[in-house]
Amino acid sequence: EAQVTQNPRYLITVTGKKLTVTCSQNMNHEYMSWYRQDPGLGLRQIYYSMNVEVTDKGDVPEGYKVSRKEKRNFPLILESPSPNQTSLYFCASSRNSVDGYTFGSGTRLTVV
Amino acid sequence: GNSVTQMEGPVTLSEEAFLTINCTYTATGYPSLFWYVQYPGEGLQLLLKATKADDKGSNKGFEATYRKETTSFHLEKGSVQVSDSAVYFCALIPNTGNQFYFGTGTSLTVIP
Repeated sequence: EAQVTQNPRYLITVTGKKLTVTCSQNMNHEYMSWYRQDPGLGLRQIYYSMNVEVTDKGDVPEGYKVSRKEKRNFPLILESPSPNQTSLYFCASSRNSVDGYTFGSGTRLTVV
Repeated sequence: GNSVTQMEGPVTLSEEAFLTINCTYTATGYPSLFWYVQYPGEGLQLLLKATKADDKGSNKGFEATYRKETTSFHLEKGSVQVSDSAVYFCALIPNTGNQFYFGTGTSLTVIP
């Protein structure tokens, strides 16, 4: 089944403790992206990647890192999480602009 | 620049009522337009799309027509069901690049 898989689905952590949210797609898509969803703000792009080893900042990149060492994986790294990064995170991938995105099921992160 | 504006919610309708959710956009060139749906606790799913002017996207009884003259892509359904309760997002991708631009989402609740 074609899909984008994120892990974990739920995560509660403490301020300053480094964490990684994994994202993997099995559709051989070149384009991958991370979004955060907050009430009243919709979806905001954090980082995106056009291909292996090519990443760029989205609208809200502060406090996040990404890497794209392989085509299928695009992990999101929070080096020192803070409470304002409590949010619902989505990974997405795309083959081209006409097809649109396939989204993962989301990761609900709480930073206390 | 590129942006999407959706009507604010929440929207509450009785079952079998007619639904319209307004969406207008600003974009350079000829973007592709999308509606995504997010059911409670789930990720975003592609509902329908249109890739050029006057195209009509349709799926599950929902329709939207790409109107370039009014820069709009309004979502409609003739008779909503309780199972249509969800958050609906309008989005665009410019014809150059793969970055999605989302509206803030419109929450729909359908009551029996």
